[in-house]
Amino acid sequence: EDKVVQSPLSLVVHEGDTVTLNCSYEVTNFRSLLWYKQEKKAPTFLFMLTSSGIEKKSGRLSSILDKKELFSILNITATQTGDSAIYLCAHLNTDKLIFGTGTRLQVFP
Amino acid sequence: EAGVTQFPSHSVIEKGQTVTLRCDPISGHDNLYWYRRVMGKEIKFLLHFVKESKQDESGMPNNRFLAERTGGTYSTLKVQPAELEDSGVYFCASSQDPYNEQFFGPGTRLTVL
Repeated sequence: EDKVVQSPLSLVVHEGDTVTLNCSYEVTNFRSLLWYKQEKKAPTFLFMLTSSGIEKKSGRLSSILDKKELFSILNITATQTGDSAIYLCAHLNTDKLIFGTGTRLQVFP
Repeated sequence: EAGVTQFPSHSVIEKGQTVTLRCDPISGHDNLYWYRRVMGKEIKFLLHFVKESKQDESGMPNNRFLAERTGGTYSTLKVQPAELEDSGVYFCASSQDPYNEQFFGPGTRLTVL
């Protein structure tokens, strides 16, 4: 059975800190790994990673995939209070997303 | 462009009652998905529609759950009769094709007392 594991479960930082969120996976047929940000309601799409070693970047957020070691990281630099959210990692398996439990990030001023 | 919408945002019912959740996908998205998050657990897949056809319903927990997508537009998920363990947040998502990102709605929080 496909499995996605995220760590840490929870993270508390101060504004300006840099954070790294981890996602490891064990899947039978890898397609893509996706990152989502969930604030209050709908998870919103951040990145989709298919190839190893190619960094995807959007502002202060970046993500990279390592298909040899079966993990991905999501980096957030110069964190702001608006970055507080649950960050979800998911494997896109054929037609469905297999999610990890998420990392809850809290950024305090 | 309007996003995925869900109704209601919150429903509280008693065990044994029936509840129907509705999802309106992004216009033009043939692929529609239902997911559920129960307390303390990860978001789990329930089923996938392509237009009005059920492509994959492997995640449906049991026959108390019935999903429909008549006409290939909006979808409903009915739980009948509801049990305590059905409580959770039900998310709907849609996508243009099954190999790309899925766009999520805000979810319906279902509480069964």
